[in-house]
Amino acid sequence: KNEVEQSPQNLTAQEGEFITINCSYSVGISALHWLQQHPGGGIVSLFMLSSGKKKHGRLIATINIQEKHSSLHITASHPRDSAVYICAVGFGSSNTGKLIFGQGTTLQVKP
Amino acid sequence: NAGVMQNPRHLVRRRGQEARLRCSPMKGHSHVYWYRQLPEEGLKFMVYLQKENIIDESGMPKERFSAEFPKEGPSILRIQQVVRGDSAAYFCASSPLQANTEAFFGQGTRLTVV
Repeated sequence: KNEVEQSPQNLTAQEGEFITINCSYSVGISALHWLQQHPGGGIVSLFMLSSGKKKHGRLIATINIQEKHSSLHITASHPRDSAVYICAVGFGSSNTGKLIFGQGTTLQVKP
Repeated sequence: NAGVMQNPRHLVRRRGQEARLRCSPMKGHSHVYWYRQLPEEGLKFMVYLQKENIIDESGMPKERFSAEFPKEGPSILRIQQVVRGDSAAYFCASSPLQANTEAFFGQGTRLTVV
């Protein structure tokens, strides 16, 4: 069993739809990251959070430490949101930047 | 303030050659991380370096791979005697502090071994 599990693996949506991507982890963490990767492209950090909720434009990330679960929401989705979304976790007080990554969720938003 | 710069973006090497991948962290960042993304697989941590020090190399293959982050200049990930299985995207990230800090990623170097 992977230490970081994402669901769904693939997601197709129509433009304008509300999208949710989930991430569950099995280890104690210091922080959770949501990343975005476009095909053949680099990786962009969307959020880093250790509690509660963060919002940036149409993106919202939440984390529940007790349940070891995080969600990434995209409101009013757009075709340019099509990308791979990756959840990654860093560890406790001895964090060395050693992130453990989920397998990614491939999102396609159709016009 | 330029982001994390990796070069080359694409690198083709024949089996047995050496590959050198470079990463210049963001200005003011003294922590560098290397990750590998094999085809159809997720990202995996390789090594964490600070200036002139390797802090954690638990994700590095024991042979043929080495990394450095000298006092001056970029961080280098070096792969000797490359094999086809080394073909992957190699990403570098940097941060100003060790823990609980957002990491900024480079565009990656896509290594193809032929």
